[in-house]
Amino acid sequence: DAGITQSPRHKVTETGTPVTLRCHQTENHRYMYWYRQDPGHGLRLIHYSYGVKDTDKGEVSDGYSVSRSKTEDFLLTLESATSSQTSVYFCAISEAPGQGSYGYTFGSGTRLTVV
Amino acid sequence: DQQVKQNSPSLSVQEGRISILNCDYTNSMFDYFLWYKKYPAEGPTFLISISSIKDKNEDGRFTVFLNKSAKHLSLHIVPSQPGDSAVYFCAASARTSGTYKYIFGTGTRLKVLA
Repeated sequence: DAGITQSPRHKVTETGTPVTLRCHQTENHRYMYWYRQDPGHGLRLIHYSYGVKDTDKGEVSDGYSVSRSKTEDFLLTLESATSSQTSVYFCAISEAPGQGSYGYTFGSGTRLTVV
Repeated sequence: DQQVKQNSPSLSVQEGRISILNCDYTNSMFDYFLWYKKYPAEGPTFLISISSIKDKNEDGRFTVFLNKSAKHLSLHIVPSQPGDSAVYFCAASARTSGTYKYIFGTGTRLKVLA
């Protein structure tokens, strides 16, 4: 989708290795989010950011860290990947709270497999 | 504890008929609700929203109804088309909390049969 790009689109990694997923936006939106999608669980929030260097935990943050050194990039790191982190990861962006009625714009997702 | 629930994992409907997707929530602080549609290998896309000050919002074939006393919202698609086949997520946010995080349901897979 225009304005938000996730990389890589697919990745297979081994248990115990570090993995970094990247989300890049060109919309200059303040808010960025990382979600994971799993069968039976829907979309669950991992971490989110409300500005450069301002981040907070979501509902499933254990095993994940994030960084946002500039407005356009939000990185999600799995310090030591486990099989339970096999999932599809979505990045989302939004404007300042209360503006518009469209919620988030999502990226196309990264399918991560931990073997 | 699942604050937003979609109790029907799947739904099949004949083309031209009405599709009704349901969503229940437990947090009375939620004041803004969205429906997203997701095709395979794509990110979710926004479909329709409703604020807690309304009980209905309509956009073409899509209508969302909100029953605050029952903590229930539903999405009606009339008439249903094969292209509507997708996974639908409802999402809720407590905008007054200041965090503007959306909590999503588990999704309902809609199949519209031609």
